[in-house]
Amino acid sequence: GAGVSQSPSNKVTEKGKDVELRCDPISGHTALYWYRQSLGQGLEFLIYFQGNSAPDKSGLPSDRFSAERTGGSVSTLTIQRTQQEDSAVYLCASSLDRGISQPQHFGDGTRLSIL
Amino acid sequence: GDSVTQMEGPVTLSEEAFLTINCTYTATGYPSLFWYVQYPGEGLQLLLKATKADDKGSNKGFEATYRKETTSFHLEKGSVQVSDSAVYFCALSGSGYSTLTFGKGTMLLVSP
Repeated sequence: GAGVSQSPSNKVTEKGKDVELRCDPISGHTALYWYRQSLGQGLEFLIYFQGNSAPDKSGLPSDRFSAERTGGSVSTLTIQRTQQEDSAVYLCASSLDRGISQPQHFGDGTRLSIL
Repeated sequence: GDSVTQMEGPVTLSEEAFLTINCTYTATGYPSLFWYVQYPGEGLQLLLKATKADDKGSNKGFEATYRKETTSFHLEKGSVQVSDSAVYFCALSGSGYSTLTFGKGTMLLVSP
């Protein structure tokens, strides 16, 4: 398909382990965003990429969270030393460019559960 | 900072009833406004958008008008169907890097 693809769709891991979440944006989309959806906090912005650069990391909740994007395409969100409060659905979105009128297209998300 | 306030749900309606979900926003400048929908077990889908004052976005029978004077973007549908049952999110994209600021979502339940 031509949509945003995220993997894995579900991830269960033990507290303290590291996890990597992957996002394949729509081909040709230069802007890529990560959000987190949790019951208590709703939908929160985490990080924004334009190409391979991340000019806005203001939403990352702690230094345990990091992300990278390579080749202007695939992005990986890494959470180190996971905590139970990291349990949430992590959503990736892409848009053609960063213009405010450009709609963001979302993947189905990765549901992360920390035991 | 930017913020979006939506009416709390769940909103429970019978099929063919009229729907309104209220959304108001606070933002600097001239944001773009969006409604996204999340059907059970699925990801977020763009429902409609409006990019300037007095614009009306519409899709699948849903409509919303960008009202700058009241800072509102209320979602309406004249006749809901059971298949419209979902969570609806109002969102804005302001200046800067165009990150979306979301409301907390409103669950709509439509019964036959």
